[in-house]
Amino acid sequence: KAGVTQTPRYLIKTRGQQVTLSCSPISGHRSVSWYQQTPGQGLQFLFEYFSETQRNKGNFPGRFSGRQFSNSRSEMNVSTLELGDSALYLCASSLEQGRQPQHFGDGTRLSIL
Amino acid sequence: DAKTTQPNSMESNEEEPVHLPCNHSTISGTDYIHWYRQLPSQGPEYVIHGLTSNVNNRMASLAIAEDRKSSTLILHRATLRDAAVYYCIEARGYQKVTFGTGTKLQVIP
Repeated sequence: KAGVTQTPRYLIKTRGQQVTLSCSPISGHRSVSWYQQTPGQGLQFLFEYFSETQRNKGNFPGRFSGRQFSNSRSEMNVSTLELGDSALYLCASSLEQGRQPQHFGDGTRLSIL
Repeated sequence: DAKTTQPNSMESNEEEPVHLPCNHSTISGTDYIHWYRQLPSQGPEYVIHGLTSNVNNRMASLAIAEDRKSSTLILHRATLRDAAVYYCIEARGYQKVTFGTGTKLQVIP
């Protein structure tokens, strides 16, 4: 059974640009969550999608957005990139929204120059 | 938001049991306790979860205190591959989970 797939694995952008990251959940999983991981702040929750609807959102500015498609695949977008957006972005999927275990991808490493 | 408390780091000798503690001061009655671990350059990996009763799986055991204010992840025989950062979280129905700083486990050969 394939795991959570995130593309691309690595990305380099410059300040002011925008970026789109992709996540393919485990087959049959309907909930997708996104996290930002930095050495200083640790793992921080960005948002969660279920049935194409954003169900929860963390404390991030509006530059961070996402969406989920009918096949449960998800994308997140960051506009007007800042140096502080350099991080590992992780996607996790679970069967249903709720208290079920999450399965993480290996992330997209985003570097802002 | 739910917040757990864990020691920053722990050490264990290889092939010895390891008990990783977690305090759940804000846990509510319907929150599940989940444990994850993260190896270098990888995303977190699910380890085990439970609600009230102790749980076992092929990776580890989870002991949950009767008042649910604390839990302990037990690795029965630590191996070098168990060296990782271990996170405990409280999973709520709306999945707005909060990962703390976790416990960095060092396994000494």
